[in-house]
Amino acid sequence: SAVISQKPSRDICQRGTSLTIQCQVDSQVTMMFWYRQQPGQSLTLIATANQGSEATYESGFVIDKFPISRPNLTFSTLTVSNMSPEDSSIYLCSVGWQGVGDGYTFGSGTRLTVV
Amino acid sequence: AQTVTQSQPEMSVQEAETVTLSCTYDTSESDYYLFWYKQPPSRQMILVIRQEAYKQQNATENRFSVNFQKAAKSFSLKISDSQLGDAAMYFCAYRSAGNNDMRFGAGTRLTVKP
Repeated sequence: SAVISQKPSRDICQRGTSLTIQCQVDSQVTMMFWYRQQPGQSLTLIATANQGSEATYESGFVIDKFPISRPNLTFSTLTVSNMSPEDSSIYLCSVGWQGVGDGYTFGSGTRLTVV
Repeated sequence: AQTVTQSQPEMSVQEAETVTLSCTYDTSESDYYLFWYKQPPSRQMILVIRQEAYKQQNATENRFSVNFQKAAKSFSLKISDSQLGDAAMYFCAYRSAGNNDMRFGAGTRLTVKP
């Protein structure tokens, strides 16, 4: 299975600012996802990061707020823009392989606190 | 849309005993995968066990086993000989064979008492 390096592991940010989270995988993967986990809650899919094209966002998430890049098959970034305290969550990168029914591998997450 | 339901927000078990965590799901599809993930306080999501819907045989991984009832759309996790290290949040997850995104239940917090 892939090994994921997700950075930063945690950050405290001022409201109105932006934070970019990086996800680096040690091998090429066909699928990369970004999830949000609000305090005490389950995981909610934000978007699928598509290599070389715009990400596919889930209902309730928009590109202006959560711009995503995926320049190649091993790297993706998620930006949380114009942050408010409601954005305080854990953000997780996840990877998988198309057509394979294995579980996805997750990064260790980024704990974001907005003050 | 597929939904995953975990009706037990919290469960506790005595060390060395057995506990079962419940999960039900709603889908109209016939081909899909089911998973149990463990999330300890470190917040790392760890895959515990997986089950393909087309397989009748229940998956087993050491002390972890599932009871997969396709007609009832039920997918419970049994942990035998519970250990202190099993304490964590457990999430049930569904993935369609034709769709790539994974849907999670609300989670069950498992406490293991020494």
